[in-house]
Amino acid sequence: GESVGLHLPTLSVQEGDNSIINCAYSNSASDYFIWYKQESGKGPQFIIDIRSNMDKRQGQRVTVLLNKTVKHLSLQIAATQPGDSAVYFCAENTQGGSEKLVFGKGTKLTVNP
Amino acid sequence: GAVVSQHPSRVICKSGTSVKIECRSLDFQATTMFWYRQFPKQSLMLMATSNEGSKATYEQGVEKDKFLINHASLTLSTLTVTSAHPEDSSFYICSAGSGGDGNTQYFGPGTRLTVL
Repeated sequence: GESVGLHLPTLSVQEGDNSIINCAYSNSASDYFIWYKQESGKGPQFIIDIRSNMDKRQGQRVTVLLNKTVKHLSLQIAATQPGDSAVYFCAENTQGGSEKLVFGKGTKLTVNP
Repeated sequence: GAVVSQHPSRVICKSGTSVKIECRSLDFQATTMFWYRQFPKQSLMLMATSNEGSKATYEQGVEKDKFLINHASLTLSTLTVTSAHPEDSSFYICSAGSGGDGNTQYFGPGTRLTVL
């Protein structure tokens, strides 16, 4: 069951607004990062990734920013739509090491029509 | 591309029975698959790394005799929850590495296990 004291950060936005979801990662040696979207009752869906030799990468309506100095990752969603409502997880990995991903706690995004 | 399937999507069983969950990579070969467990409103917790043709590597605190993993081929890994109890009720998700540059993992749709 759910552990006492844990809670999922939430972000509520209006349809059409831009959303910014933040993530602080833990390992300064991590050099590969992924954002996943998870809808209720489903598995995580790959959104976008970025390597540590970049500080910005853009996809369709999404942009990932990486600040290695402060170990911070963000996901920007432009013109947020109701279908974007989900939990978003960042994940980190160290290439050349284990293939394991370390996941963040997740942020629940709610888009209000 | 990079589609991963899981079966079954939902299972309800009686306490003491064993349940097998299958994970398949449909359009690529995966030498490594991963099994996760997720409780409500929590993040994914890695249980084990499944390696084709060899024994799985379990995370600390995960009982290998409780959660049996078999990775018989490059497209199939199975997780068997043995002698399931109500506390094993959870959402189990598998993933497979794409094998390309970087360590991207693609996830299956998950299996909801309810043990009565």
